[in-house]
Amino acid sequence: DQQVKQNSPSLSVQEGRISILNCDYTNSMFDYFLWYKKYPAEGPTFLISISSIKDKNEDGRFTVFLNKSAKHLSLHIVPSQPGDSAVYFCAATPRRYGGSQGNLIFGKGTKLSVKP
Amino acid sequence: DGGITQSPKYLFRKEGQNVTLSCEQNLNHDAMYWYRQDPGQGLRLIYYSQIVNDFQKGDIAEGYSVSREKKESFPLTVTSAQKNPTAFYLCASSLVASNYGYTFGSGTRLTVV
Repeated sequence: DQQVKQNSPSLSVQEGRISILNCDYTNSMFDYFLWYKKYPAEGPTFLISISSIKDKNEDGRFTVFLNKSAKHLSLHIVPSQPGDSAVYFCAATPRRYGGSQGNLIFGKGTKLSVKP
Repeated sequence: DGGITQSPKYLFRKEGQNVTLSCEQNLNHDAMYWYRQDPGQGLRLIYYSQIVNDFQKGDIAEGYSVSREKKESFPLTVTSAQKNPTAFYLCASSLVASNYGYTFGSGTRLTVV
C-alpha cells in the first residue's frame, strides 16, 4: 500500500506560469517532508523540505505547503522556467524515538515539462 | 569535494551472472541506502545500513545482497536470483539524525543482455 502518493504522473506548464505539484500521504506518523528533483540518468537532488510544525516553507521560487489535516502537501514553482523540467519526487519520514530521522518513503514522481 | 560516487555508470550483465555495483561516500555519513528506479515505480528501497557491519532489508531485497565493512562503502550485489534486474540503481547516504534528507549518487544503469 502506497504511503506517499503523487497522483499526477506528468504536468505541463508554460514558462513564466506557476507549477503546482501535489502529494498525499496516508501515514499520520510522518512529520517531515521533502521534495527532490531528478534529471534523467542522474541522482535526485534535494530541493526543499518542511517540518510538520509548519504549514509553509519558502526558498526562492520554490514554496512547499503542508495541510496536515488533509495529509496533503504541494510544491509551487513560480515563475516556472524550462530548466525546471524534471521529475519531482515527494518524500516523507516519521521521527523515530529519540528524534532521529526514519527512512524516507518516496512517491512515484511527477514529470514536469515547462514549455518556452 | 565531498560527495557520493557510484560506479560504473552503465553496466551490462549476462543472465545468470552476479554483478556488484559500487557506492562510496566521503561525507562522513552514518547511513547508506540502495534504491531501484523503474519507470512509473518511483524509488523503491532495496537495503539500508545505519552503521558499519549492520544492514537491513528494504521493501524489495530479494535477489540482492550488500555488505558494510567500511563506513564509506556500501556495495550492492545483484544476484542471479533477481528475476528482473534491468533498472536504474541509486545509492544514497545521510546522517542518521539529520533534517536534510539524503544525498544521492548519480546512479548505475544495469542492463541484462
